[in-house]
Amino acid sequence: KAGVTQTPRYLIKTRGQQVTLSCSPISGHRSVSWYQQTPGQGLQFLFEYFSETQRNKGNFPGRFSGRQFSNSRSEMNVSTLELGDSALYLCASSYRGRFWVTEAFFGQGTRLTVV
Amino acid sequence: EDKVVQSPLSLVVHEGDTVTLNCSYEVTNFRSLLWYKQEKKAPTFLFMLTSSGIEKKSGRLSSILDKKELFSILNITATQTGDSAVYLCAVDRGTDKLIFGTGTRLQVFP
Repeated sequence: KAGVTQTPRYLIKTRGQQVTLSCSPISGHRSVSWYQQTPGQGLQFLFEYFSETQRNKGNFPGRFSGRQFSNSRSEMNVSTLELGDSALYLCASSYRGRFWVTEAFFGQGTRLTVV
Repeated sequence: EDKVVQSPLSLVVHEGDTVTLNCSYEVTNFRSLLWYKQEKKAPTFLFMLTSSGIEKKSGRLSSILDKKELFSILNITATQTGDSAVYLCAVDRGTDKLIFGTGTRLQVFP
């Protein structure tokens, strides 16, 4: 069974540009969450999608957005990049049924560097 | 405000030592507590704890949850250099928004 796949693995962008990151969850998982990890702040929740709907959003500016497609694949977009957006962006998928919930499985992440 | 606090922040031990990592939490609507190991990039799942007092064990690793005192511990016995990693504790409030602690960096030297 394939794990969570994130692309690209590495990205270098300049300030002011925008970027789109992709995440393919484990087959059968409809819940996809995104996290930003920086040395100073640790892992911080960005947003979560379930069946193409954003159910939760963390405390990030509106420059951070996302979406989920009907096949559960998700993308997140960051516009007008700032130096402080340099981080490891992790995607996690889980199965959330009515009576059974799995743990979150993480992808390898996308390392974004803004110069 | 929900928070998860891990201690110590960093730990340096020699192979064969036993270590205990701590995680305390204050969250509303607790559903479960999870432990992850992060070596390079992807955190890998270790344990999910939902009930107090029931130890979960996997090889040299074990973990237990105390829902009354709001904490969990992760024990690693007979540590090996391959155990060197950041260990993350996270609380699931049932909303798919995991609240993570800042992690404990464990370094095991031969």
